[in-house]
Amino acid sequence: QQPVQSPQAVILREGEDAVINCSSSKALYSVHWYRQKHGEAPVFLMILLKGGEQKGHEKISASFNEKKQQSSLYLTASQLSYSGTYFCGTANNTNAGKSTFGDGTTLTVKP
Amino acid sequence: DTEVTQTPKHLVMGMTNKKSLKCEQHMGHRAMYWYKQKAKKPPELMFVYSYEKLSINESVPSRFSPECPNSSLLNLHLHALQPEDSALYLCASSHPAEGRTGYTFGSGTRLTVV
Repeated sequence: QQPVQSPQAVILREGEDAVINCSSSKALYSVHWYRQKHGEAPVFLMILLKGGEQKGHEKISASFNEKKQQSSLYLTASQLSYSGTYFCGTANNTNAGKSTFGDGTTLTVKP
Repeated sequence: DTEVTQTPKHLVMGMTNKKSLKCEQHMGHRAMYWYKQKAKKPPELMFVYSYEKLSINESVPSRFSPECPNSSLLNLHLHALQPEDSALYLCASSHPAEGRTGYTFGSGTRLTVV
């Protein structure tokens, strides 16, 4: 079951904050986040395992609410380099090949 | 520096050609994947190898033939492709429990079928 991401697109000015959401209709074991710049491969940002943890990566952090089957990616004080398409991948077990990607959220940061 | 290397970066092939995409990883991962990605779409799973054995084939047409010669290498053999097969082909690797670790993607091969 493909997770649903929202919003589909967001435009920011440098220094502004953004939140990208990822929700699933099925119980989740983990959520992983990637950023893909135009013409490049997706780059792994972080993974959150069930247990309701929150993680941080410089000014990018994420939370995972296992009960609500939702994850949110927080981008604070955005930089031009944050522009790209953000995908969440969700897995309901640990087995290889069982993750499904959302349709992506396109983030554009303007000067 | 990406730790999953794909070659070639770009490939143009005719519908009667035979070509191969190559992927190599030096991360000690025992799961490797082929994904296909169309513009403005998420990656779409094609094949999964776990411990060098094909574990998932997502009903991919037989004109795509995967091969995993050893734990570091993954190939995708292409034959008699159609123009609609033009896409970015991504190789990825992970711990076999990918639900715990996520993927490392290679830089991709941009394939154009003419």
